[in-house]
Amino acid sequence: DTAVSQTPKYLVTQMGNDKSIKCEQNLGHDTMYWYKQDSKKFLKIMFSYNNKELIINETVPNRFSPKSPDKAHLNLHINSLELGDSAVYFCASSQAGLAAYNEQFFGPGTRLTVL
Amino acid sequence: QQQVKQSPQSLIVQKGGISIINCAYENTAFDYFPWYQQFPGKGPALLIAIRPDVSEKKEGRFTISFNKSAKQFSLHIMDSQPGDSATYFCAATGGGNKLTFGTGTQLKVEL
Repeated sequence: DTAVSQTPKYLVTQMGNDKSIKCEQNLGHDTMYWYKQDSKKFLKIMFSYNNKELIINETVPNRFSPKSPDKAHLNLHINSLELGDSAVYFCASSQAGLAAYNEQFFGPGTRLTVL
Repeated sequence: QQQVKQSPQSLIVQKGGISIINCAYENTAFDYFPWYQQFPGKGPALLIAIRPDVSEKKEGRFTISFNKSAKQFSLHIMDSQPGDSATYFCAATGGGNKLTFGTGTQLKVEL
């Protein structure tokens, strides 16, 4: 009964390749997010979708493209991978609404290593 | 520009002691301040949160103190236990669910 799941857990690939990370939540939430956690553990939001609509798009290279086929899924596709893309990527979800006080539930993370 | 500054970067506390982590923010539009706890290999999880209309919130051994005029807030962990060893992140948001995280504090509670 995993709330927010991500696949794969580990991803090792060569520079220049294209890869995807998948995320699914079974909490019935309307809003989903992608975060990047770098080697110093700094967490930064990349994207947020509300019911399949992009609502937050931080300064992220356009090699990163999120896709939300439905409100329970948010995938992240990365083109032309670079060494600096190595990080742990977290998916999260929360209830929607104008209130800011909605707990975000994080997935277990995908550790991406670019060689 | 780091909008939420967190200190210390790491902290070692003896079992039973008090762990204190401090955060300061710049954006006066922030109106919700959660703390997240992250164990190695896991995603962050909400620990406790506060709104600026109160100066303190307590849940069990965890207390947030909030000073609106100074734009500072802190997490106090009373009777710290080895199981509390984790990385703690303060965060802030001004609406729209967009969280800005602090840089994290790695807490180790020693026996």
